Amino acid sequence: DSGVTQTPKHLITATGQRVTLRCSPRSGDLSVYWYQQSLDQGLQFLIQYYNGEERAKGNILERFSAQQFPDLHSELNLSSLELGDSALYFCASSAQGALLDTEAFFGQGTRLTVV
Amino acid sequence: AQTVTQSQPEMSVQEAETVTLSCTYDTSESNYYLFWYKQPPSRQMILVIRQEAYKQQNATENRFSVNFQKAAKSFSLKISDSQLGDTAMYFCAFKIYGGSQGNLIFGKGTKLSVKP
Repeated sequence: DSGVTQTPKHLITATGQRVTLRCSPRSGDLSVYWYQQSLDQGLQFLIQYYNGEERAKGNILERFSAQQFPDLHSELNLSSLELGDSALYFCASSAQGALLDTEAFFGQGTRLTVV
Repeated sequence: AQTVTQSQPEMSVQEAETVTLSCTYDTSESNYYLFWYKQPPSRQMILVIRQEAYKQQNATENRFSVNFQKAAKSFSLKISDSQLGDTAMYFCAFKIYGGSQGNLIFGKGTKLSVKP
């Protein structure tokens, strides 16, 4: 158990809909990362938050957004869903976010299926 | 921009034998970390081994060891005495040291099957 909790584990929704994925980082970790794992693109970094503020953006679509709350949990919002958004979405957390970190801890992922 | 390439989409090995997974990367940075992550069917991402680029000595964790060739930008993973539980996807990953961003850049993975 990595200590990172993601909910829900599975999600099935229709095209055009909006969903919210939730992540609770390890106790004490300030930084949260979101990754998308799809068959054709592999693991892609989406976005990073550090202590409530956005720190880095990767290949995140404009239809997607995220935030980190004062209690440090994070949510990834996916809207106007398309079939191609079907993927495994991972959350990871680390203590500092960059300089002093050597390791990020991953949750078990949310499997999103868009039908 | 950094890139990570894993040229072997799939590999198989007999139980108790040794297998080497390849990874090359491209970066202009001089200080960075390299990782191998394992993703079993449970889909949990598990850190297998980590290498700091400034260290010349290759990292070792029990049956897992790396061959880090900084000049060649190569970072291979050797699994000795392969076990059935080693069956998984293996991802090579890169992370800049000391930057403001801590995200990992992954290769596309190698699917390893350990056969009894």
